[in-house]
Amino acid sequence: GAVVSQHPSWVICKSGTSVKIECRSLDFQATTMFWYRQFPKQSLMLMATSNEGSKATYEQGVEKDKFLINHASLTLSTLTVTSAHPEDSSFYICSAMDRLGGYTFGSGTRLTVV
Amino acid sequence: DAKTTQPTSMDCAEGRAANLPCNHSTISGNEYVYWYRQIHSQGPQYIIHGLKNNETNEMASLIITEDRKSSTLILPHATLRDTAVYYCIVRVGPGNQGGKLIFGQGTELSVKP
Repeated sequence: GAVVSQHPSWVICKSGTSVKIECRSLDFQATTMFWYRQFPKQSLMLMATSNEGSKATYEQGVEKDKFLINHASLTLSTLTVTSAHPEDSSFYICSAMDRLGGYTFGSGTRLTVV
Repeated sequence: DAKTTQPTSMDCAEGRAANLPCNHSTISGNEYVYWYRQIHSQGPQYIIHGLKNNETNEMASLIITEDRKSSTLILPHATLRDTAVYYCIVRVGPGNQGGKLIFGQGTELSVKP
């Protein structure tokens, strides 16, 4: 089946620094990928839709200048959290749509900003 | 803007069938219903999806009412490893145009020995 790899699985960074998270579709090409954020005891919240070769579409209330998304190839999308602060600490999860319309999720990245 | 309603939590005895209900009364004619589950600190796992016909795979069965306003996910023989949060999702937008999955609060299923 379709596999989505997310890296790193966890990261700790200092406040004010930037962190990049990668999402790769390993055995299929993904024109569209999605980025979610999940706080403890809460559901997944969609942040943005990433489209290969074009600008990402952000959900209402998500700061596009803070959460930079790049989808430069059909197998890779990246999310960069810029100038991270403790309130950005969360579980970030990506998802990729395969050619059959299925949605495969990565295993998530636990970000802790200290 | 989740379009589904699920019970917050449910219990099920090991070996018995787990029936998880979901209401999606505002669903449109071409919108699919997806079910995913999430075990603590992992990414969501696909279970099943459907449009209007009942569906079955190796993991579960999906029963969609004729008016499509509700559905039930059935795990035929629940095991302890099925303990997870189960999400019923109505896809927003068509799949071939990047339709997105908006998660609701889900049902926390506890399978007990």
